[in-house]
Amino acid sequence: EIVLTQSPATLSLSPGERATLSCRASQSVSSYLVWYQQKPGQAPRLLIYDASIRATGIPARFSGSGSGTDFTLTISSLEPEDFAVYFCQQHSNWPPYTFGQGTKLEIK
Amino acid sequence: EVQLVESGGGLVQPGGSLRLSCAASGFTFSSYWMSWVRQAPGKGLEWVANIKQDGGEKYYVDSVMGRFTISRDNAKNSMYLQMDSLRADDTAVYYCARGCIVAAGIFDYWGQGTLVTVSS
Repeated sequence: EIVLTQSPATLSLSPGERATLSCRASQSVSSYLVWYQQKPGQAPRLLIYDASIRATGIPARFSGSGSGTDFTLTISSLEPEDFAVYFCQQHSNWPPYTFGQGTKLEIK
Repeated sequence: EVQLVESGGGLVQPGGSLRLSCAASGFTFSSYWMSWVRQAPGKGLEWVANIKQDGGEKYYVDSVMGRFTISRDNAKNSMYLQMDSLRADDTAVYYCARGCIVAAGIFDYWGQGTLVTVSS
């Protein structure tokens, strides 16, 4: 089973700042890495798939990069609605699909 | 508009059973892999099971193998999760999720979830 480790656990930033979230895989997942956003009381929302492809309707301030074992989600300039929990997930080697433990992006 | 609506959650005693349903609309249900993903209170996401378009392939996470059964009825645009021998650590919100057309493991639409609580 592939283990995904996200860092940091919590990221405190202000609106307008740049956010950089990391996801590291225990073995290569090629580019089969997905990012989701989850707000309190809501279902996850697909942001980025295959490491760098924005899902339909996702603003350009969200970008993803990486391949192999190291991946990054970058939010170029934080909007108030971006404060949420972010999860990475791999679909390279399954079953099972596995998720990271999440990074909480909070307002500083 | 794609919609996924889960139902069937509730309070059940350890060792008991529950059947979850997911009603799909707004897309050709029979063309997509479907999954169940759960989230324990205050915790992260865990993929539970998925099922191929025609129901001919099913996969499970080890922790539910032999206790949970995933199924679907394409004529009713519905997916199900039969959960038996429930344990306290099965307590979670259970989400129904669609695998996107390019890859079963990219979950592009999610329901709002149904809460399952296993407690005496």
